[in-house]
Amino acid sequence: EAEVAQSPRYKITEKSQAVAFWCDPISGHATLYWYRQILGQGPELLVQFQDESVVDDSQLPKDRFSAERLKGVDSTLKIQPAELGDSAMYLCASSRGTGISYEQYFGPGTRLTVT
Amino acid sequence: LAKTTQPISMDSYEGQEVNITCSHNNIATNDYITWYQQFPSQGPRFIIQGYKTKVTNEVASLFIPADRKSSTLSLPRVSLSDTAVYYCLVGPGWGANNLFFGTGTRLTVIP
Repeated sequence: EAEVAQSPRYKITEKSQAVAFWCDPISGHATLYWYRQILGQGPELLVQFQDESVVDDSQLPKDRFSAERLKGVDSTLKIQPAELGDSAMYLCASSRGTGISYEQYFGPGTRLTVT
Repeated sequence: LAKTTQPISMDSYEGQEVNITCSHNNIATNDYITWYQQFPSQGPRFIIQGYKTKVTNEVASLFIPADRKSSTLSLPRVSLSDTAVYYCLVGPGWGANNLFFGTGTRLTVIP
């Protein structure tokens, strides 16, 4: 069964450093999501791509976060500079289309710790 | 997007049927109801989806009354491995963005 791949699985970085996460969605999935999940809370959408275009980044802190999906396949989420409050699980998901009727498939996540 | 309300936590003994209710009073005509399950240190996983009445799959059943202002996820004969957080999502079936997961319901199955 095809899966969403994410790397790294764990990342520890110091405050003010740059950090990047990578996601490879399921082949053929046009929609890609990046979520942030703080311990004890549900996933919060940061950015949503349809192919290579951003369709929703309203919750992305654009002063420090950036995301790209240049060829409409894999994607990178970057934080620069990292802050203590960025410690969280970063989840990537993909789906065949946009809307709740399309099942989202989630990757294993990247757990970020900022010290 | 329709706002949803679900219990923060529930406990159940192994072998019992568990029903988790989600309230969505302002659900729109074109909204669907979807439930996801999340185990610790994993991403959420789709469980079931419905629009009205009853939907059943190999994992769970989803009951939706005629007014669609609430829905109930039913897990038959739970086991310890069903301990997880369950999220109720409500939104348009197609073309909509920004699905809202909320805090979910933390189910603990007790031996």
